[in-house]
Amino acid sequence: AQSVTQLGSHVSVSEGALVLLRCNYSSSVPPYLFWYVQYPNQGLQLLLKYTSAATLVKGINGFEAEFKKSETSFHLTKPSAHMSDAAEYFCAVSEAVEYGNKLVFGAGTILRVKS
Amino acid sequence: GAVVSQHPSRVICKSGTSVKIECRSLDFQATTMFWYRQFPKQSLMLMATSNEGSKATYEQGVEKDKFLINHASLTLSTLTVTSAHPEDSSFYICSASGQRGGQETQYFGPGTRLLVL
Repeated sequence: AQSVTQLGSHVSVSEGALVLLRCNYSSSVPPYLFWYVQYPNQGLQLLLKYTSAATLVKGINGFEAEFKKSETSFHLTKPSAHMSDAAEYFCAVSEAVEYGNKLVFGAGTILRVKS
Repeated sequence: GAVVSQHPSRVICKSGTSVKIECRSLDFQATTMFWYRQFPKQSLMLMATSNEGSKATYEQGVEKDKFLINHASLTLSTLTVTSAHPEDSSFYICSASGQRGGQETQYFGPGTRLLVL
């Protein structure tokens, strides 16, 4: 069975500050890992994904995440927060297949960016 | 613009009635569609997976007779909550997977908020 834990249901940062959203996973098979962002009244949008290639994954909007097997983590970072980054972020895991597969989601982290 | 749409975006119904939620892939053919449910302050939980023209595969604990899923075409899947009760109130999200622009891809709909009184 697979599971995802996102530490911190709410994270608040100042504009221009580092964004760090934490995600730890559990999987009995090599995982595929994803970060999604959800803006109000919109569908989940894929930020980035890890599919067993490079451990440091770069995504859209300046976000990146590093897969650390020893720590079973896939934390999301952005060097400098922008007001438009305020949204809810979901970490998810699936088995092996990139698309057309079930995703197990974390509970989500709401990111607030202060001016 | 939106790639996957859901209708309605929100619905309020009386206990005992049935509610149908539509999920459409707008510019690609979705060979697989997923239905998720999200309770307040909780994760999205997968309810079922459907492939076009086949019966849906339900996750453990999800009643297939209560949550009827139809995926009759490559652009439309429907979820019908039959004899809805207040505990069925939730946020229902679909996801469509298929080839778009020559690449395999997966998109989520904006969700449907169901409130059963």
